[in-house]
Amino acid sequence: KAGVTQTPRYLIKTRGQQVTLSCSPISGHRSVSWYQQTPGQGLQFLFEYFSETQRNKGNFPGRFSGRQFSNSRSEMNVSTLELGDSALYLCASSLAPANEQYFGPGTRLTVT
Amino acid sequence: AQKVTQAQTEISVVEKEDVTLDCVYETRDTTYYLFWYKQPPSGELVFLIRRNSFDEQNEISGRYSWNFQKSTSSFNFTITASQVVDSAVYFCALSESSTGANSKLTFGKGITLSVRP
Repeated sequence: KAGVTQTPRYLIKTRGQQVTLSCSPISGHRSVSWYQQTPGQGLQFLFEYFSETQRNKGNFPGRFSGRQFSNSRSEMNVSTLELGDSALYLCASSLAPANEQYFGPGTRLTVT
Repeated sequence: AQKVTQAQTEISVVEKEDVTLDCVYETRDTTYYLFWYKQPPSGELVFLIRRNSFDEQNEISGRYSWNFQKSTSSFNFTITASQVVDSAVYFCALSESSTGANSKLTFGKGITLSVRP
C-alpha cells in the first residue's frame, strides 16, 4: 500500500507570496492532519480534516488555511508568506480521528 | 492544557547498549492516547506505537519496549541492544479524546539518539 505522499517536496518562495501544499493520504484513510516543524518550535499542529470538514485547528494565524476534498486529499495554503513560515510541513493520515497517524515525507518550504 | 516533556535532548551510546528514552506528559483528560515516533535523517516521521490511557500493560516489540505508568504520567521507551540504524530523533506525543475522537498530536521536543559503532 502506498504511503502518504506530499507535493512538492521542496519549495522556495519570496516574502509576501502565497503557497499551496498538497497531501494524498494512504488509500482508505479519511482523516488528514497537518503539522509544522521548525528547529525553534518543534512539531506544531496546524489542522485536522475528516470527511471534508475541519475538526480541529491549531494556534496559527488566519494566513494558514486548508481544505479536504471528497477523495480525502488535502491542501494547505499559506498566504502573505513571512520569513518565519520557513519550515518542514508534514501531512499525516489515519483511518479515522484518534487512530495512529502515518506521516508523509514533508514539504520543505523556504521563504526568502 | 496538554503537554509532553522529553527532558533528555541528546543521548549517545555505543552499539549493543540498552537505552531508555523518557517521556512525561500532562493532561486533564481521563481518555487520551500516547505515541512514539521516530524521525531518521531522511525526515519522515515513522509511527512506532500508540497506547490508550486505559491500557497500562507494557509492550514489547522485538528490541523495543514501552513502559506506561499513569501514576507518574510517564511513557518511557527502551531500545535493547541498540544498533547504528536506531540513530534518529525520537518524539513522544499525546492526543486527548475526552471531548471526542481527536487527531491533534502534542509533541515533545524530541530526543536525538546517536548510536556509535
